[in-house]
This record gives sequence, structure tokens and C-alpha cells, in this order.
Amino acid sequence: GQQLNQSPQSMFIQEGEDVSMNCTSSSIFNTWLWYKQDPGEGPVLLIALYKAGELTSNGRLTAQFGITRKDSFLNISASIPSDVGIYFCAGPRGAQKLVFGQGTRLTINP
Amino acid sequence: EAQVTQNPRYLITVTGKKLTVTCSQNMNHEYMSWYRQDPGLGLRQIYYSMNVEVTDKGDVPEGYKVSRKEKRNFPLILESPSPNQTSLYFCASSPYRDRFDTQYFGPGTRLTVL
Repeated sequence: GQQLNQSPQSMFIQEGEDVSMNCTSSSIFNTWLWYKQDPGEGPVLLIALYKAGELTSNGRLTAQFGITRKDSFLNISASIPSDVGIYFCAGPRGAQKLVFGQGTRLTINP
Repeated sequence: EAQVTQNPRYLITVTGKKLTVTCSQNMNHEYMSWYRQDPGLGLRQIYYSMNVEVTDKGDVPEGYKVSRKEKRNFPLILESPSPNQTSLYFCASSPYRDRFDTQYFGPGTRLTVL
């Protein structure tokens, strides 16, 4: 089935550094979602994007809906230890199905 | 407390032994869904349900069954589990059938099939 291509697959950074990750698709999406998964838990929604070009922030997190509608970006500024986890992008396919990227695993060295 | 619960959280079983993973939500949500998570593949949708007695296949339905006899429950059934179904499974629910930004995920069930 259709998959979103997320990169990088893993990141190892120092505390305090900024983080950037992206998600691309061969098809157009009308909504982009960014989730975070903490170890041993289910994904939790961080940011939802609804319009091409939209830039939305949630604390130190900022996400953008690409103007081509085929990509999206997530940035984390001044990373802290609790940012560790797996970040997923996702988008609806049709009205009833949701497709996910492969995930970006973020590791932070204190 | 509003939540999605799954049971069991961990399960080790053997090939061919039928099992059911339960999912329950206490939010009166219409839409429920099952996903599996595998390393390097992200989450993939197995089945979803738009309401009672209405279910449909996701991207990876082979080897799985579901039922939605009550609004709050959406069990995942593996009639004859195989090792390639070893995975981390998530149930999710949403109040709206076409709004994924309102979807809540359960805590996950880690299944190992030997």
C-alpha cells in the first residue's frame, strides 16, 4: 500500500541541539499529522496541518505543510531529554484510512 | 478517564493457536481501527470500523479478523497465528469517522508467535 517516506530514520544529537525531519509522498495529501511515540506507549498527536503552506507551532515544535502537498517537515528547537522517542508523520488516504511514515527515532545525549 | 484499553499487553503464543486481542473505548467513539507496528515500516492499518457492524480492510488485513458488535469494543482475532504476525499492535478510536486528528491510541499489545 501507499507509504510515506520519512527521513532520517534515526538521529543521535546532543541536548540543546535543533532537530529537523521530513516526510514525502508521491501523492497529494490534504492533511498531515505528526505523532510522537514514547517507549512502551501508543502514538500521541503533536501537530495537525490542514492547508498547503501552513506553518504551525506547538511549544518548541514547528511543523510545515509543503506547498506541493506532497511533503511535510517537523522541527524541534533546543532539544531536551524528554524529546526522546519515535516521531511519525501520517496522512489520510481517502476518508477512512490513515497511512504512516516509517518513523524517525530520536536519541539525545545529555 | 477517557481511554482506549487493550488486553493483553503482552502475549507469547505458538503457531496456529487462535487468539483474540481485545480493544475497548469509553468515549462513545464511532470510528475504531487496528494497526501493527514493525521496525522500519511504521504503523500499518489492519482493519477499521466506522460503526457497529460496519468494518472494512486496511492495508494489511491478511490473517486477521475483526468484529464490531458493540460500539465500545473492537476485538482483533488471529484464527491461526504465524510468526510473521509477531508485532506490536495498536487499537485506536475517534469520535468522527473522517477526522484522524481526533484519534486516540491504546497502549499497545506486543505479540510474539513462536
